[in-house]
Amino acid sequence: DTGVSQNPRHKITKRGQNVTFRCDPISEHNRLYWYRQTLGQGPEFLTYFQNEAQLEKSRLLSDRFSAERPKGSFSTLEIQRTEQGDSAMYLCASSSGQGADYGYTFGSGTRLTVV
Amino acid sequence: DAKTTQPTSMDCAEGRAANLPCNHSTISGNEYVYWYRQIHSQGPQYIIHGLKNNETNEMASLIITEDRKSSTLILPHATLRDTAVYYCIVRRSNYQLIWGAGTKLIIKP
Repeated sequence: DTGVSQNPRHKITKRGQNVTFRCDPISEHNRLYWYRQTLGQGPEFLTYFQNEAQLEKSRLLSDRFSAERPKGSFSTLEIQRTEQGDSAMYLCASSSGQGADYGYTFGSGTRLTVV
Repeated sequence: DAKTTQPTSMDCAEGRAANLPCNHSTISGNEYVYWYRQIHSQGPQYIIHGLKNNETNEMASLIITEDRKSSTLILPHATLRDTAVYYCIVRRSNYQLIWGAGTKLIIKP
């Protein structure tokens, strides 16, 4: 297992188009998280899954955003009708979620540019 | 939400210990402190985390004050490859990481 994998690494799209990103977590990790990072800022939490259940969503996740983790393995994040303000790095992380003492492994992110 | 305060930037000479401070005065008793770093255009890299006790691993040491209101990350022998943005983060009890703006650490030869 080589860690958390995110695809694509870069995505340029026209305003109004839909985009979908994929995250493949570490296989034995049951928790998966999506974060968004804009230039010069730390990542902001978007949502998290425990297995296939989406347990929390940030208010940053507007109605245009949807995330799924259908079989408790990989996850997708879709943005509909993209806006220029959606331009950011989208980061995925996973963790084991066993007990309270654990670390998070992040992927390399997908950089979205909306033109 | 417990938030963190860090210096915007710091310099350190190559080969010396880099000491990065973090203030988290509103931390709750069951909230962990995590440190990550991020090199330009890459995903965050895990460094270390702790709750109450000091921690050490192959990358760094984490010193947490007794009242848990602040902590210090120590990179014992900084190299040029340690140049990055370092984030001190508090984990909310529902497993969400609360990130600040980080410290840009520049290692100088």
